[in-house]
Amino acid sequence: GESVGLHLPTLSVQEGDNSIINCAYSNSASDYFIWYKQESGKGPQFIIDIRSNMDKRQGQRVTVLLNKTVKHLSLQIAATQPGDSAVYFCAENMVKGGANSKLTFGKGITLSVRP
Amino acid sequence: GAVVSQHPSRVICKSGTSVKIECRSLDFQATTMFWYRQFPKQSLMLMATSNEGSKATYEQGVEKDKFLINHASLTLSTLTVTSAHPEDSSFYICSAENQGVGSPLHFGNGTRLTVT
Repeated sequence: GESVGLHLPTLSVQEGDNSIINCAYSNSASDYFIWYKQESGKGPQFIIDIRSNMDKRQGQRVTVLLNKTVKHLSLQIAATQPGDSAVYFCAENMVKGGANSKLTFGKGITLSVRP
Repeated sequence: GAVVSQHPSRVICKSGTSVKIECRSLDFQATTMFWYRQFPKQSLMLMATSNEGSKATYEQGVEKDKFLINHASLTLSTLTVTSAHPEDSSFYICSAENQGVGSPLHFGNGTRLTVT
């Protein structure tokens, strides 16, 4: 069946460097994508989202890029900080009638920031 | 921002007993809540969709008689793990959908269930 997946299981970056986390999705009908951050023992925390009518969206220190042609989603974190260390999940959602439906999560990638 | 509260955060129970987990939306109404299960170092797997005032919709492979869901109000959904066994030990997470159009799901901080 269709699924959302991530290319790399772990990513180690130097503090202050930029991080890029990638995600591939296979459901061409998905039109809403979200990045979540999950710290140990906690629930997922919303980072940023993007709809399929956009290819880029920026937040505070984070940017999400969407390439619908190759079904690819990425999360860029500028000036990575130790507090960014966590597991990151991409999730896809088919927005039906303007309301959220259930999310499908990717496998997750661990971001480890070296001091 | 929108907050989802989950209680308890940790629970240890003996095999054969039942455990109830609560999920509350604190500052918004949620007609729909979702229950996920997460094993260590794995992703979140959707168990069921909880609909206020109606029966929950379970994902394939999830036993509805094992995982009882009640969504009696617009701010509260409960998940009861009945006759728990050690293999039910996991991290259970709920999320709630703000009725506002296009708003992202908000997640609780999860419940760590350990069945001995």
